[in-house]
Amino acid sequence: SAVISQKPSRDICQRGTSLTIQCQVDSQVTMMFWYRQQPGQSLTLIATANQGSEATYESGFVIDKFPISRPNLTFSTLTVSNMSPEDSSIYLCSVTGEIWGGSYNEQFFGPGTRLTVL
Amino acid sequence: GENVEQHPSTLSVQEGDSAVIKCTYSDSASNYFPWYKQELGKRPQLIIDIRSNVGEKKDQRIAVTLNKTAKHFSLHITETQPEDSAVYFCAASMGGFKTIFGAGTRLFVKA
Repeated sequence: SAVISQKPSRDICQRGTSLTIQCQVDSQVTMMFWYRQQPGQSLTLIATANQGSEATYESGFVIDKFPISRPNLTFSTLTVSNMSPEDSSIYLCSVTGEIWGGSYNEQFFGPGTRLTVL
Repeated sequence: GENVEQHPSTLSVQEGDSAVIKCTYSDSASNYFPWYKQELGKRPQLIIDIRSNVGEKKDQRIAVTLNKTAKHFSLHITETQPEDSAVYFCAASMGGFKTIFGAGTRLFVKA
């Protein structure tokens, strides 16, 4: 079955620095999304990663802070820029489910990247 | 935009009892309602979903109901087991786009 992987799985960073998170799927998918899950909280959609064009950001998230790339149908990156302790969170990518025989509605999540900013 | 409210935030049941988690949504255009289970330190896992043209769906011990008029949907778990202990999230979306999640329900099943 298809696999979603994320790198790194965790990192500890200094404030003011940037971290790029990678999401790799071993089959082509239509849609890829990036979410943030703060400790003990729900999932918040950051943006939809569009293949070959700029990402679509949700209210409260901006490209300068969270630049996203999606160069092809199997890969995306999320950068957390100029980090502060408030950015400490789990960042998850998700992909639509058609590759597992499901529908375009269904979303499946990567394992997440646990980020701690000191 | 869409807003999803989820209740209760914490639910404790005895093994073998039933558990019910309720959600309401605000955007009548939403047509897809998934439920996710998240165990500690793990990714959310899709456990069941329902589309707006269906009122009820069942998969073994798990069922979901949808009332489009009232904009309510619920998750029902019967014959609960300790391994059902986790955080459950409801969500609403329009065809998988802009999925909005509820705040989550922490379910404890006591043996």
